[in-house]
Amino acid sequence: QITLKESGPALVKPTQTLTLTCTFSGFSLRTSGVGVGWIRQPPGKAPEWLALIYWSDDKLYSPSLKARLTITKDTSKNQVVLTMTNMDPLDTSTYYCARAPEYNYACFDYWGPGTLVTVSS
Amino acid sequence: ETVLTQLPDTLSLSPGERATLSCRASQSVSSSNLAWYQQRPGQAPRLLIHSGSTRAADIPDRFSGSGSGTDFTLTISRLEPEDFAVYYCQQSGLSSKFTFGPGTKVEMK
Repeated sequence: QITLKESGPALVKPTQTLTLTCTFSGFSLRTSGVGVGWIRQPPGKAPEWLALIYWSDDKLYSPSLKARLTITKDTSKNQVVLTMTNMDPLDTSTYYCARAPEYNYACFDYWGPGTLVTVSS
Repeated sequence: ETVLTQLPDTLSLSPGERATLSCRASQSVSSSNLAWYQQRPGQAPRLLIHSGSTRAADIPDRFSGSGSGTDFTLTISRLEPEDFAVYYCQQSGLSSKFTFGPGTKVEMK
């Protein structure tokens, strides 16, 4: 059974750095072709992809947010960490992590339940 | 960046009816890189279709995807009560960047 779960602060202040952790089970980031990505969704809006890290440690970032994002993995702990600097109230969203499967790296087949992050002073 | 447009914004239908949702890309997308998701209120998106037309695991066969180039379609052959939700298309393009469409809400008439 594949599961993912996001963890991190529910509230951050403007200009602070957000650190989110995705802890997963049922698959391994040692498996060729597999990736874990982060996607956020502001209330009432469409999802927005942020970053993706592959088994190979290759990393992809949204061009519009690349300067603020860092994605890393700890394969032994089955965790992927996303940091986003200089948080702004417009970054208030539900943040999801999701698996990019080895059979099709162009989609996300399993998602965590999401964690709501509010940016406010 | 490839921009996805979804039409209509809202589709008002009754259970048992057929739903046809459109996703149009601003430039050609390989069907291998086109996916559809369903999102119910308070839940994460759920993968329905990948590679343009391949149903994900455990997805009922009333869901089907088709299309190529810049025009893609998600069809729900007979709406069940649990199908009333928001549907998003998503593509992976150059340098494997991912973009989502704005969504189509399927609501009960």
